Amino acid sequence: DQQVKQNSPSLSVQEGRISILNCDYTNSMFDYFLWYKKYPAEGPTFLISISSIKDKNEDGRFTVFLNKSAKHLSLHIVPSQPGDSAVYFCAASADSGTYKYIFGTGTRLKVLA
Amino acid sequence: DAGVIQSPRHEVTEMGQEVTLRCKPISGHDYLFWYRQTMMRGLELLIYFNNNVPIDDSGMPEDRFSAKMPNASFSTLKIQPSEPRDSAVYFCASSLWTSKFSEQYFGPGTRLTVT
Repeated sequence: DQQVKQNSPSLSVQEGRISILNCDYTNSMFDYFLWYKKYPAEGPTFLISISSIKDKNEDGRFTVFLNKSAKHLSLHIVPSQPGDSAVYFCAASADSGTYKYIFGTGTRLKVLA
Repeated sequence: DAGVIQSPRHEVTEMGQEVTLRCKPISGHDYLFWYRQTMMRGLELLIYFNNNVPIDDSGMPEDRFSAKMPNASFSTLKIQPSEPRDSAVYFCASSLWTSKFSEQYFGPGTRLTVT
């Protein structure tokens, strides 16, 4: 059973507008969340993370929001640029010292020029 | 730094054949991870090592899959015998423990096709 779910397989956004990518999780023990970006024929690269003690973390054009009660996190990209077109994976980890990240299935973002 | 290196980048093999995927982690990193990416399941963690020792192999799908890390600079993932449902992109990642949660650095992946 998928513990981390990205229910939108794809998203298209106009350049300059906001992109919102969503992620839901089921395990209440998760306390650290990450977003990775993946371009074709490359490995995923780390984008931004958030600890469960926060509800928002910002890095330039990228902001991650965490709603623990809803078990939901989202990634906002403002403004969106054509170079942001990629697959975005959310991942989660529990404070169990296992060092395991559980990844979602990914959302393919296409930013239209 | 060259980053995580994986070989081969592409592998096409016939069902029943043995397949060996290779990974060289970033020098100095003490964790190594093997993932498999499919459309249906996304990125699945298969196994990870700490200081060359396997820590958790609960994600390895079957006994046909095995992984080794004979030294700090090399790891292999072997599938014997391979089956068409093993077709996927396999990623290796490495990280250095600096805090409770550390960034994982991924290689470019090996695209495996089993016919």
